[in-house]
Amino acid sequence: DTGVSQNPRHKITKRGQNVTFRCDPISEHNRLYWYRQTLGQGPEFLTYFQNEAQLEKSRLLSDRFSAERPKGSFSTLEIQRTEQGDSAMYLCASSLGVQSTDTQYFGPGTRLTVL
Amino acid sequence: RKEVEQDPGPFNVPEGATVAFNCTYSNSASQSFFWYRQDCRKEPKLLMSVYSSGNEDGRFTAQLNRASQYISLLIRDSKLSDSATYLCVVNPSWSNTGKLIFGQGTTLQVKP
Repeated sequence: DTGVSQNPRHKITKRGQNVTFRCDPISEHNRLYWYRQTLGQGPEFLTYFQNEAQLEKSRLLSDRFSAERPKGSFSTLEIQRTEQGDSAMYLCASSLGVQSTDTQYFGPGTRLTVL
Repeated sequence: RKEVEQDPGPFNVPEGATVAFNCTYSNSASQSFFWYRQDCRKEPKLLMSVYSSGNEDGRFTAQLNRASQYISLLIRDSKLSDSATYLCVVNPSWSNTGKLIFGQGTTLQVKP
């Protein structure tokens, strides 16, 4: 399967714990995006990378959130001191180029439940 | 006001019906527009891009009205497999990031 992959697919954690998600984009895709989706809503942009550089972060990304893409390939999203409001589907997407019209391909997501 | 607004529905239609979804966006300078489809508990997938001249892909037709900041999707001869949530998506031109702004989504249920 050469699509975007995300791990784990599901994560249940207790409030206050730290969690880390991984995204492997489509090979050779330069851009990698993180979105968050809650029930009944469309995905909301969190942050994006062009190669290894994190170029934009949404105001939704509080200081408890950190994302990295150390070698310009896979990316991790860490949430520290999780809160119940962090419960959501975390989606990763990648695109080949840098044009706004480039198709973004989404991974299956990581569903986070904070108890 | 949300940047991209859609009627969440649900739209319940019989097989073979024609159904239309509408979407409005707030930023007049937006340049790229898309419709994504999302099946229950799955990731969004690009259905089609939307061009100023309008475009068609089989049973699906997308239209863009820049003056009214309005995007539409028409589905003809609905199939059971068309049941999904349809997300209206905009790439705002003020951003060179390619980040996408999604509407809430419109749910379509096609019934036999």
